[in-house]
Amino acid sequence: GQNIDQPTEMTATEGAIVQINCTYQTSGFNGLFWYQQHAGEAPTFLSYNVLDGLEEKGRFSSFLSRSKGYSYLLLKELQMKDSASYLCAVAITGGFKTIFGAGTRLFVKA
Amino acid sequence: GAGVSQTPSNKVTEKGKYVELRCDPISGHTALYWYRQSLGQGPEFLIYFQGTGAADDSGLPNDRFFAVRPEGSVSTLKIQRTERGDSAVYLCASSPTSGGGQFFGPGTRLTVL
Repeated sequence: GQNIDQPTEMTATEGAIVQINCTYQTSGFNGLFWYQQHAGEAPTFLSYNVLDGLEEKGRFSSFLSRSKGYSYLLLKELQMKDSASYLCAVAITGGFKTIFGAGTRLFVKA
Repeated sequence: GAGVSQTPSNKVTEKGKYVELRCDPISGHTALYWYRQSLGQGPEFLIYFQGTGAADDSGLPNDRFFAVRPEGSVSTLKIQRTERGDSAVYLCASSPTSGGGQFFGPGTRLTVL
């Protein structure tokens, strides 16, 4: 079966740094994605990791360790607008059939 | 440029009825995906098209669900004999190739009474 685990909720303070962890156990691996989803809206693509290591993109960074089945999303200089759900997703086939975790709801407080 | 569009945005139907949900992907995107999402959950994979063919339909829950993409662009998800458990937001996404990030449409909220 496919299993993707991430914390259900997190709270952080405006201006701070937060790390959202994701662990996965899947039948195949062709890359790991992070998406942001605001309430009532569609997911938007944040990052894609297929090799081990850290990918940085502005205030957002994503890390992958394939041997550990582990990834994290790092958000720096948090803003109120970062309050959203963050979805960890794994492409399990070469055709990019993608399995999503349930998402982590991040609350940013002033 | 135009993003992924889906119609209708909301669909209310009665148990046992047939519904069609439409997706217009970003122009030039060859890969198209259908998901459904229930409250508090991540999107659940249904089917993936590469061009006109269904490359992977392993996520379709049963034979009441069917999807087509006859000309390699617009796709229609068809649900026969709808059940209350089919109520969810149905999301469509496209990507330029079979890889990289997917671009999602706003979804169709289906409610089966």
